[in-house]
Amino acid sequence: GQNIDQPTEMTATEGAIVQINCTYQTSGFNGLFWYQQHAGEAPTFLSYNVLDGLEEKGRFSSFLSRSKGYSYLLLKELQMKDSASYLCAVWDSNYQLIWGAGTKLIIKP
Amino acid sequence: DAMVIQNPRYQVTQFGKPVTLSCSQTLNHNVMYWYQQKSSQAPKLLFHYYDKDFNNEADTPDNFQSRRPNTSFCFLDIRSPGLGDAAMYLCATSRDQGTVDIQYFGAGTRLSVL
Repeated sequence: GQNIDQPTEMTATEGAIVQINCTYQTSGFNGLFWYQQHAGEAPTFLSYNVLDGLEEKGRFSSFLSRSKGYSYLLLKELQMKDSASYLCAVWDSNYQLIWGAGTKLIIKP
Repeated sequence: DAMVIQNPRYQVTQFGKPVTLSCSQTLNHNVMYWYQQKSSQAPKLLFHYYDKDFNNEADTPDNFQSRRPNTSFCFLDIRSPGLGDAAMYLCATSRDQGTVDIQYFGAGTRLSVL
């Protein structure tokens, strides 16, 4: 079966750095997305990786290793508004988007 | 701004009373999706349309149906809601299918079943 694993919950301090990991086992791979979802709201697109390496977008970076079936989302200079769930999603070989359950990130002052 | 709009934001219905959720988009995207998301769970794809071609996921209950009368609008009908259907329902769009493409989401409709 297809599976995406993320930690259920993480806690970090305002101003710090946090890394949210995602491992996947899917039928093929065509790309990986990270979405942010605030409580009770819709997911919003954050980043996209298709090749190995690091993609940087301001305070957020996403890393991919296809050989390890592994990605992480790195958030720097954490702000209280970064408190949200972060969902990892993988496009499989049939171009179906497989979603993880998300990691709830709690930011403390 | 181009966007995906869902109405209503909150819907309360009674057990077994049919309910319809709506979604509209101004992005002119070809593909529209309906997802069900329960608390702390991954979004679960119910249906998607490529233009007017309807695609039903294998494990979507018969209680759920969908209509896409034109490019801009899509509806989710729940014929006889049960307590287990209480969830957030998310509509999303993308430009095309069969390719890696960003999905843009509406704000969602939170359905409560009494």
